[in-house]
Amino acid sequence: AQSVTQPDIHITVSEGASLELRCNYSYGATPYLFWYVQSPGQGLQLLLKYFSGDTLVQGIKGFEAEFKRSQSSFNLRKPSVHWSDAAEYFCAVGAQGGSEKLVFGKGTKLTVNP
Amino acid sequence: DAGITQSPRHKVTETGTPVTLRCHQTENHRYMYWYRQDPGHGLRLIHYSYGVKDTDKGEVSDGYSVSRSKTEDFLLTLESATSSQTSVYFCAISGQGAVTNEQFFGPGTRLTVL
Repeated sequence: AQSVTQPDIHITVSEGASLELRCNYSYGATPYLFWYVQSPGQGLQLLLKYFSGDTLVQGIKGFEAEFKRSQSSFNLRKPSVHWSDAAEYFCAVGAQGGSEKLVFGKGTKLTVNP
Repeated sequence: DAGITQSPRHKVTETGTPVTLRCHQTENHRYMYWYRQDPGHGLRLIHYSYGVKDTDKGEVSDGYSVSRSKTEDFLLTLESATSSQTSVYFCAISGQGAVTNEQFFGPGTRLTVL
């Protein structure tokens, strides 16, 4: 069964600083990987996804993530954070081969200081 | 945005009363899911559906039942609500196919059980 660990419950960065949110997964084969963002009081919005191919994937809002099989990681990055990026971020893993379920991490809350 | 609506958006009820939450989609997607979101737990899958009248349990299904009589509607019922079921409930949908299992989320229902 798949599992996801987001080691950081809460991260605070200054506006304009770079950001990296960590995600480690456990799965025996090549997984599908996702990052979602949730603004306060809202549903989850897909930021980016990895299925296969290029291990560096680009998403919306200037985010990118890199799949590293050797480290079982799929870290989310942004070179310069904006105040509007303050939200909670969830990493999720799915199983290739038609499995219809995703397993979500517990989330990382991002605070952006002016 | 994916066409997903949830009703009601907010509900306050008393312990022991039955509660039904509705998820409605206009995307004709095969898969539908109910999650609950609680601080420190992220998103946890309650039940999901892989077609009309086809449902299965998730990791936190005790105390919940679901029904799907039409492609577009997925109902979550709390037979006898308890205070531990106070939570934010999210519906999600996913398209058919082995490749695409990214999920699209509704806006959520905030349920308070007194």
